[in-house]
Amino acid sequence: EVQLVESGGGLVQPGGSLRLSCAASGFIFSDYWMHWVRQAPGKGLVWVSRIKSDGSYREYADSVKGRFTISRDNAKNTLYLQMNDLRAEDTAVYLCARALGYDAVWGQGTMVTVSA
Amino acid sequence: DIVMTQSPLSLPVTPGEPASISCRSSQSLVHSNGRKYIDWYLQKPGQSPQVLISLGSNRASGVPDRFSGSGSGTDFTLKISRVEAEDVGVYYCMQALQIPFTFGPGTKVDIK
Repeated sequence: EVQLVESGGGLVQPGGSLRLSCAASGFIFSDYWMHWVRQAPGKGLVWVSRIKSDGSYREYADSVKGRFTISRDNAKNTLYLQMNDLRAEDTAVYLCARALGYDAVWGQGTMVTVSA
Repeated sequence: DIVMTQSPLSLPVTPGEPASISCRSSQSLVHSNGRKYIDWYLQKPGQSPQVLISLGSNRASGVPDRFSGSGSGTDFTLKISRVEAEDVGVYYCMQALQIPFTFGPGTKVDIK
């Protein structure tokens, strides 16, 4: 069964950092682009970042550029999102996704709350 | 950024009846390769999104054939030929033509 399981969310103060993880199973992780998408409480979906299958290429939404870093460890079948200088507006459920489009598979998400 | 709009934002439906959701983009989503870089997702209550349609009209694996996607340029439509109770949730269109990928605001479908 194809599965993505996120972890690492929690409550953090403004200016703080968190590292999210997304453990993949049931498919050849190293074959796919991977994405992070977030959803603020009661709001819609917002694309955050993506990384190429071999980790050689990364892209970010302007709202997180310079603060967030996407990475992956294909040996561990795991996707990461390092989030620094967190702001209140970063509060959201963060979902990892395999290859948005035809082959898309989404995790259940991990909640990040940025509050003093 | 490409702005995606959807209408209606709320759609009460009757089981067995057809339903249609419109999605418009601020610029053409047709690539020079001829493909239309728009996907449709459904987020059922309490669940993560699931892909329904990719590249404008390709049903994803396991998606019932009552779902269909059409359109070109900047105007796209998701149609459900006969709504079933399990189809309730929020439907999102998303453009994958250029970074940043952007989603529409979502259309909430519920049963009348």
